[in-house]
Amino acid sequence: AQSVTQLDSHVSVSEGTPVLLRCNYSSSYSPSLFWYVQHPNKGLQLLLKYTSAATLVKGINGFEAEFKKSETSFHLTKPSAHMSDAAEYFCVVSDYNQGGKLIFGQGTELSVKP
Amino acid sequence: EAGVAQSPRYKIIEKRQSVAFWCNPISGHATLYWYQQILGQGPKLLIQFQNNGVVDDSQLPKDRFSAERLKGVDSTLKIQPAKLEDSAVYLCASSPERRASGANVLTFGAGSRLTVL
Repeated sequence: AQSVTQLDSHVSVSEGTPVLLRCNYSSSYSPSLFWYVQHPNKGLQLLLKYTSAATLVKGINGFEAEFKKSETSFHLTKPSAHMSDAAEYFCVVSDYNQGGKLIFGQGTELSVKP
Repeated sequence: EAGVAQSPRYKIIEKRQSVAFWCNPISGHATLYWYQQILGQGPKLLIQFQNNGVVDDSQLPKDRFSAERLKGVDSTLKIQPAKLEDSAVYLCASSPERRASGANVLTFGAGSRLTVL
């Protein structure tokens, strides 16, 4: 079965500094991977997706993620954090064996200090 | 386009009572999902519909949870009787089609927060 592991439950950065949210995946074949963001009392929003095209994926709001097969990782980065980036972030893998069912990680809460 | 609508946003009930949540997906989206998100965890799929047919309900506790999607549009998720451990946010999502290749992009509603006392 496919799965994702988010390595940090909470990350705290200062405004203007880089953001790194780590995700490792487990899959027996080339996966489809996503990052979703969840702001308080709001629905989940797609940040970006990887579907076996370019390994460096650019998303909304300046976020990007790099698919590294050798490391089974799909870390999310942003060069400069903004206060509005404070939210919960989920790494997600799509399970091909289950018709594309999305499997969510446990989430990483990002705090941004002024 | 309008997003995925859910109601109610908040519900507080006592254990053994019943509750129902409603979802209106994006117009034209064939696939509809119900997820359960317990505090501090990632969402977990409860049931997936393709039009008005169920394609995956393997993680739905069928002794107490039921869901339907009449006419392939709106959907209702019901819990009866509720237990304390059912306290969670119930998220509805929709996508244009179900792709086995795994490129499904889901649009989520804001969720319905259930508290069971």
